[in-house]
Amino acid sequence: EIVLTQSPGTLSLSPGERATLSCGASQSVSSSCLAWYQQKPGQAPRLLIYGASSRATGIPDRFSGSGSGTDFTLTISRLEPEDFAVYYCQQYGTSPLTFGGGTKVEI
Amino acid sequence: QVQLVQSGAEVKKPGASVKVSCKASGYTFTRYHMHWVRQAPGQGLEWMGIINPSGGSTTYAQKFQGRVTMTRDTSTRIVYMELSSLRSEDTAVYYCARDRGDIVVVPAATNELDYWGQGTLVTVSS
Repeated sequence: EIVLTQSPGTLSLSPGERATLSCGASQSVSSSCLAWYQQKPGQAPRLLIYGASSRATGIPDRFSGSGSGTDFTLTISRLEPEDFAVYYCQQYGTSPLTFGGGTKVEI
Repeated sequence: QVQLVQSGAEVKKPGASVKVSCKASGYTFTRYHMHWVRQAPGQGLEWMGIINPSGGSTTYAQKFQGRVTMTRDTSTRIVYMELSSLRSEDTAVYYCARDRGDIVVVPAATNELDYWGQGTLVTVSS
């Protein structure tokens, strides 16, 4: 199965700053089948990005995704207070679907 | 609006089985695949499998083959996930999550999970 490694484990930033989260795959992710989710404490994950770079419905444009092959990035251009959460990448080009270990974005 | 409402928390003994339900509303039930994902306490997300609510076909992650069964009831718009031979490592929050793709448009699942249930905590303890 494809193993996804997210870095850094924790990102300490302030509101208004730019956040750059990385997701590396153990083998190439086919057809850019890579998604990003946000999870806040006690809540279910929320889909942010699919197809490596397409924003899901209702997701603000400060969230953007990029990358291909084995290296993917989620960028939050200007952090809002509600953006402090854990972010997971997920690949779905090869079964089984797998998730990264998460990056915590904290104040 | 799309809603997935799951059944309540469960406490089970090792070796027992648990059946978690997920009731869908706000969309055409048979047009979207449903996934199950679990999350152990303080850990990441783990995909368990997928069911096509239209025909009932399933695909399970190899790790859970032989222990998991996903079914659906189209009359009540409920999807079920049953996990047997429970062990302490199965203690987790179990989520149902809808696939983003409309089966009528593209029969294959997109495997992008756009709506999630609130989660069901299953605790396995003697």
